[in-house]
Amino acid sequence: GAGVSQSPSNKVTEKGKDVELRCDPISGHTALYWYRQSLGQGLEFLIYFQGNSAPDKSGLPSDRFSAERTGGSVSTLTIQRTQQEDSAVYLCASSTGGVQETQYFGPGTRLLVL
Amino acid sequence: QKEVEQNSGPLSVPEGAIASLNCTYSDRGSQSFFWYRQYSGKSPELIMFIYSNGDKEDGRFTAQLNKASQYVSLLIRDSQPSDSATYLCAVYNAGNMLTFGGGTRLMVKP
Repeated sequence: GAGVSQSPSNKVTEKGKDVELRCDPISGHTALYWYRQSLGQGLEFLIYFQGNSAPDKSGLPSDRFSAERTGGSVSTLTIQRTQQEDSAVYLCASSTGGVQETQYFGPGTRLLVL
Repeated sequence: QKEVEQNSGPLSVPEGAIASLNCTYSDRGSQSFFWYRQYSGKSPELIMFIYSNGDKEDGRFTAQLNKASQYVSLLIRDSQPSDSATYLCAVYNAGNMLTFGGGTRLMVKP
């Protein structure tokens, strides 16, 4: 079946604008994760959705960042009033939702804030 | 102290040699351990996972776990230039939160 998909693949925006990044998890996967990877750095956890439970937002760096997941499937990560330090690759991953299962990653969205 | 630590490298090995990648973690309660490979400009892809102490082999790859010493390693036998990538160690702590190390860059020279 299809893997995790993300859109857009690249996004260039101006400082202060809002952006929305989309993630379609693998069909049937109930767990969905967002990570951020700055150039040459490791993965930074942002937010975790599991089924219909309240999301774990503990990794969101500021209140400019928010995410939602509609119908337990597609997720949107929104960054308001973007700053240059938000420039990074935003990666989405999904898993079956079982305890400590393998996470499968999408291709990422490369965000550049000018 | 970082929760999952890796030497950033680069680790350079000649083609055909064994590449040894190491990772240490701080949470003694960690149960599940993963190795991902990430090519430049691409997203991480799963290489192997390991849950139990000892070795786990899959083709040219062997994962080794020592929970008492809190380290996990990945051996790549008969290294190929196509193995050149960054290798990410990831550890599940309590619950479903995966923590990643910073990655080790491997360079396999022909």
